[in-house]
Amino acid sequence: KAGVTQTPRYLIKTRGQQVTLSCSPISGHRSVSWYQQTPGQGLQFLFEYFSETQRNKGNFPGRFSGRQFSNSRSEMNVSTLELGDSALYLCASSFGQHYTEAFFGQGTRLTVV
Amino acid sequence: QQPVQSPQAVILREGEDAVINCSSSKALYSVHWYRQKHGEAPVFLMILLKGGEQKGHEKISASFNEKKQQSSLYLTASQLSYSGTYFCGTASGNTPLVFGKGTRLSVIA
Repeated sequence: KAGVTQTPRYLIKTRGQQVTLSCSPISGHRSVSWYQQTPGQGLQFLFEYFSETQRNKGNFPGRFSGRQFSNSRSEMNVSTLELGDSALYLCASSFGQHYTEAFFGQGTRLTVV
Repeated sequence: QQPVQSPQAVILREGEDAVINCSSSKALYSVHWYRQKHGEAPVFLMILLKGGEQKGHEKISASFNEKKQQSSLYLTASQLSYSGTYFCGTASGNTPLVFGKGTRLSVIA
């Protein structure tokens, strides 16, 4: 079956701009989580969605937002980009909650210049 | 709260064993282990639920001590393909799955 698909794979934006990243989970998966990965910081949790509801939010500023649609696809938006937002953004989908395995997409590499 | 992994990095020769530890300050329901190779997405290795069970995946196994809120990943007779960064993820109650900073494992010939 198809895996988790993230688009775009690479993105270069200028400071102050906004960006929208997309994640299509594995068919049948209702849970989608987003993580920011930077060197030395591991995977920092951003959001968790389940059936269109945001269940948890990480410790990130309000510039970071997200949503999930009825088909379980999810988007995250970052407004007023800063240089420090440059990172690999990973999306993970799972069938249920935290006792099921999560499958990661290839990520979107965002570079802010 | 982010779990703490140790060591941060380890270098092994082929055939040697390694242990990666993961500890949390919170009561845990589940511990997840992933491996990420350079330029690739993290790949699921195994999940352990509370109860202290040990799981295995080929020559990679893990244990979960619920009382100590710790998990350990055991890699035996390491192979070159084991190289990568290992992440533990922890979840408890309604908290999301949060990951440690990772342990970089390098296996050399």
